[in-house]
Amino acid sequence: DTGVSQDPRHKITKRGQNVTFRCDPISEHNRLYWYRQTLGQGPEFLTYFQNEAQLEKSRLLSDRFSAERPKGSFSTLEIQRTEQGDSAMYLCASSLVNRPAFFGQGTRLTVV
Amino acid sequence: GENVEQHPSTLSVQEGDSAVIKCTYSDSASNYFPWYKQELGKGPQLIIDIRSNVGEKKDQRIAVTLNKTAKHFSLHITETQPEDSAVYFCAATLKAAGNKLTFGGGTRVLVKP
Repeated sequence: DTGVSQDPRHKITKRGQNVTFRCDPISEHNRLYWYRQTLGQGPEFLTYFQNEAQLEKSRLLSDRFSAERPKGSFSTLEIQRTEQGDSAMYLCASSLVNRPAFFGQGTRLTVV
Repeated sequence: GENVEQHPSTLSVQEGDSAVIKCTYSDSASNYFPWYKQELGKGPQLIIDIRSNVGEKKDQRIAVTLNKTAKHFSLHITETQPEDSAVYFCAATLKAAGNKLTFGGGTRVLVKP
């Protein structure tokens, strides 16, 4: 399968803990996006990279969130000191510049 | 920033009938409009897209139309089948904004056999 891969698929964590998610994009794609989706809503943009450069961050991305794409390939999204409001599906997508974006299956985070 | 409104929020159709979902966008500079289908527990799957220099695009039972003047676009599914049951999202984006997508709120489509 050469699609976008996300790991883990599900994560349950206690409030206050740190969590890290990984995204492996389609291999030749130079753009990588992170979105957050809450139940019954459309995905909301968080941040995106072109190669290893983080080009934009949404105001939704508080100081507790950090994303990296160190070698322009896979990316990680870390949430520090998780809160119950962070419970959501975190989606990763990748694309070539100005080409359609393809999504992974997402990581569902539950903060208890 | 861009704002996308999507209607209806739920749509129930009989198998074989057509389904139409409508979206409006606010930023007249938006130039790319994809549609995604999302099944329970899965990520959104791109099903069709249209660019601002085209008024209509068709792929088998799915078609999308775009009215740039009115800033609205629609998804048409003909001869619906039970496997078309899912949540459908429209989105809009602007090439100059890195193609980040602004999504509508989604339409839950139920095709009754």
